[in-house]
Amino acid sequence: GAGVSQTPSNKVTEKGKYVELRCDPISGHTALYWYRQSLGQGPEFLIYFQGTGAADDSGLPNDRFFAVRPEGSVSTLKIQRTERGDSAVYLCASSLSTGGGALNTGELFFGEGSRLTVL
Amino acid sequence: SQKIEQNSEALNIQEGKTATLTCNYTNYSPAYLQWYRQDPGRGPVFLLLIRENEKEKRKERLKVTFDTTLKQSLFHITASQPADSATYLCAPTGRRALTFGSGTRLQVQP
Repeated sequence: GAGVSQTPSNKVTEKGKYVELRCDPISGHTALYWYRQSLGQGPEFLIYFQGTGAADDSGLPNDRFFAVRPEGSVSTLKIQRTERGDSAVYLCASSLSTGGGALNTGELFFGEGSRLTVL
Repeated sequence: SQKIEQNSEALNIQEGKTATLTCNYTNYSPAYLQWYRQDPGRGPVFLLLIRENEKEKRKERLKVTFDTTLKQSLFHITASQPADSATYLCAPTGRRALTFGSGTRLQVQP
């Protein structure tokens, strides 16, 4: 497709389980971002990839959260030992990289999100 | 720490009026500021980007200002329409990935 694709759109799991959320960015976009959004709040930054490497993972809340992007395209956000507080919409976005370094001047193209509910 | 403030209370206006939304930030100096629109159940959609050396940017009925002294951006929608009803997010862009405010919900009454 032409846009950012996220699967699953909805995921219900039990506390303590492992979850994987997938993001397929726009073809040719080298930068990929994961955000988390709770009701009534703005997107909260989790991690940013430039190519295959995590350029900034300072937003990951703890070591239960991990993300990979092995071939520089599709990314997977992995959450171990899920907790009820992890319930949120997980948004993925991609952008064209405008050059090296941490400064990103490009607009982000978001997917529709994966709604995670931990019971 | 960096802080972004947007009016958390919904803004209700009549169709045809100008809506003005405010974004204030503290403890950093963004080189750019972006505005996004988000509809319920959807991902944010990019609207406008303004650079620190630009005072004002326009796109159709949208106008954004960026005052680096006041650390504030104003987002205006002129001749507002019910279809403009949504949540609007600002994202001052520093040296790391975009950080978003909590957004302001705009409701345009017909």
